[in-house]
Amino acid sequence: DVKVTQSSRYLVKRTGEKVFLECVQDMDHENMFWYRQDPGLGLRLIYFSYDVKMKEKGDIPEGYSVSREKKERFSLILESASTNQTSMYLCASSLPVEDNYGYTFGSGTRLTVV
Amino acid sequence: DQQVKQNSPSLSVQEGRISILNCDYTNSMFDYFLWYKKYPAEGPTFLISISSIKDKNEDGRFTVFLNKSAKHLSLHIVPSQPGDSAVYFCAASKNRDDKIIFGKGTRLHILP
Repeated sequence: DVKVTQSSRYLVKRTGEKVFLECVQDMDHENMFWYRQDPGLGLRLIYFSYDVKMKEKGDIPEGYSVSREKKERFSLILESASTNQTSMYLCASSLPVEDNYGYTFGSGTRLTVV
Repeated sequence: DQQVKQNSPSLSVQEGRISILNCDYTNSMFDYFLWYKKYPAEGPTFLISISSIKDKNEDGRFTVFLNKSAKHLSLHIVPSQPGDSAVYFCAASKNRDDKIIFGKGTRLHILP
């Protein structure tokens, strides 16, 4: 069974802390994505990656960075956490477009910045 | 600028009746459309998809209809069951671009 695993379900961090959200997929997918979900705003794309060491900005990259050193792992980094980054963070992976039947999502990380 | 729009934030339907969730899109380059279902504290799960070469795709109780001229798609669930209570996201992508654009979601409540 295919799987996208996010390392933490719940996190509480202080303002100004550097935060790492980890995502690992076991499907040998090339494409990986980070979204955040907020009430009334739906899913918004933060960053995505089509290959190792590649990264592309999504719609709301400000305050975030990413790292993809290995194909199976895609990390989201909050350089200096702020309260407006309190959100549900969702990682997803997918095959290239020829096999485009959608994303597989992880269970999400609910981050609270205090 | 929202490219995928779900104009109804919520919808309540009696158990056993038909649920119809609507979605509009503005980008004529989209040619692949998806619906995802999300329970609280879980990631979205893929439900059903449709390519722009079709106008209907059916999978059990779920049917997606696509009207390209109106840039509109809908998800029909019949009969609706209590476990269908969730947030439903409409999504779309272009053929040569795997990035998927999501709508804001519609919360479906199935009433007993």
